[in-house]
Amino acid sequence: EDQVTQSPEALRLQEGESSSLNCSYTVSGLRGLFWYRQDPGKGPEFLFTLYSAGEEKEKERLKATLTKKESFLHITAPKPEDSATYLCAVLLTNQAGTALIFGKGTTLSVSS
Amino acid sequence: NAGVTQTPKFQVLKTGQSMTLQCAQDMNHNSMYWYRQDPGMGLRLIYYSASEGTTDKGEVPNGYNVSRLNKREFSLRLESAAPSQTSVYFCASSSGTGVGSPLHFGNGTRLTVT
Repeated sequence: EDQVTQSPEALRLQEGESSSLNCSYTVSGLRGLFWYRQDPGKGPEFLFTLYSAGEEKEKERLKATLTKKESFLHITAPKPEDSATYLCAVLLTNQAGTALIFGKGTTLSVSS
Repeated sequence: NAGVTQTPKFQVLKTGQSMTLQCAQDMNHNSMYWYRQDPGMGLRLIYYSASEGTTDKGEVPNGYNVSRLNKREFSLRLESAAPSQTSVYFCASSSGTGVGSPLHFGNGTRLTVT
């Protein structure tokens, strides 16, 4: 069964304390991986797409990396405004066709 | 730049009532989607429309119907609401004709069925 697991479920950081969020997957036919940010009461907002192992993307304090089994979202020197839920989604092709499977998310809280 | 607009933002229904959730996008995107988000679960696809005039079932289509009214608008209808349909519903659009393009989401409709 295709699965996407995000860890930890929740993460509390102090401002400036760097850390990483993990998205691991057991899927066949990986075609890509997406990261989204979701603020409370809002819809998810697209951050990055990664297509192949070794690929990296950066945006401000965020850097996303991809291996054959997992992706990391590294947050460098976070600020309180980085507090949000971060979702990963895996694009895959299986016997049923092409599908996008979302993880449950990691809720990040950054305090000043 | 409105992006994806959903109405209403909040709704309370009684079991058995019907309603339609409205969604419109102004980005000239080909594909539109309806997702539901429940506590402790990832976003799940209800229905999608890869282009004007076509619709397909997603992972959890039972109890729902959709209409792609034109390129801009994609509505979701609950014919006979059930408590299990209490959820936050998100409409999304993308420029491609499949799920491989980044999704642009609306801000959701929070539905409670009593």
